[in-house]
Amino acid sequence: DSGVTQTPKHLITATGQRVTLRCSPRSGDLSVYWYQQSLDQGLQFLIQYYNGEERAKGNILERFSAQQFPDLHSELNLSSLELGDSALYFCASSVLQTGGEQFFGPGTRLTVL
Amino acid sequence: DAKTTQPPSMDCAEGRAANLPCNHSTISGNEYVYWYRQIHSQGPQYIIHGLKNNETNEMASLIITEDRKSSTLILPHATLRDTAVYYCIVRVKGDSGAGSYQLTFGKGTKLSVIP
Repeated sequence: DSGVTQTPKHLITATGQRVTLRCSPRSGDLSVYWYQQSLDQGLQFLIQYYNGEERAKGNILERFSAQQFPDLHSELNLSSLELGDSALYFCASSVLQTGGEQFFGPGTRLTVL
Repeated sequence: DAKTTQPPSMDCAEGRAANLPCNHSTISGNEYVYWYRQIHSQGPQYIIHGLKNNETNEMASLIITEDRKSSTLILPHATLRDTAVYYCIVRVKGDSGAGSYQLTFGKGTKLSVIP
């Protein structure tokens, strides 16, 4: 158990819909990262927040957005969903903004039908 | 960040040492080598990292060549639970607030530990 929690574990929805994925980092970790893992693209970095502020963006689509709240939990919002958005979404946290030692949650499996 | 090259798959007999190689010939002086693993669809798990000296922890050992162009992750006594995809990542460790420090995952090495 990494100490990072993600909800929900599974999510099934239809194309065009909007969903919110939630992540609670390890106690004391200020940095949160979101990653997407699909069969064809592998693990890809989406976005990083540190202490409530956006720090880095990766291959995140404009239809996706995220935020980190004062209590440090983070939410990833996915809208206008397409079939290709079906993937595992992982959240990770680290103590430092620059953390190479990241602790990953169990992931949310999103299925878009 | 420097790119890495890993064999796509490897087998190891249970109880034997698993030696997973990684080539990172374009590594820069301020880049560290990190190893993570992912057990079937679970979240990746940090294993170990190093700069130029060999490192050991309770999970594994990391051997980095003197020219730092390659490294080997060693699992001393592989068990069935070590079956996973192992990722070698080269990244600036960073001690300033600037820049982005995400992990860039390649395809990794799928290690199968065989009974």
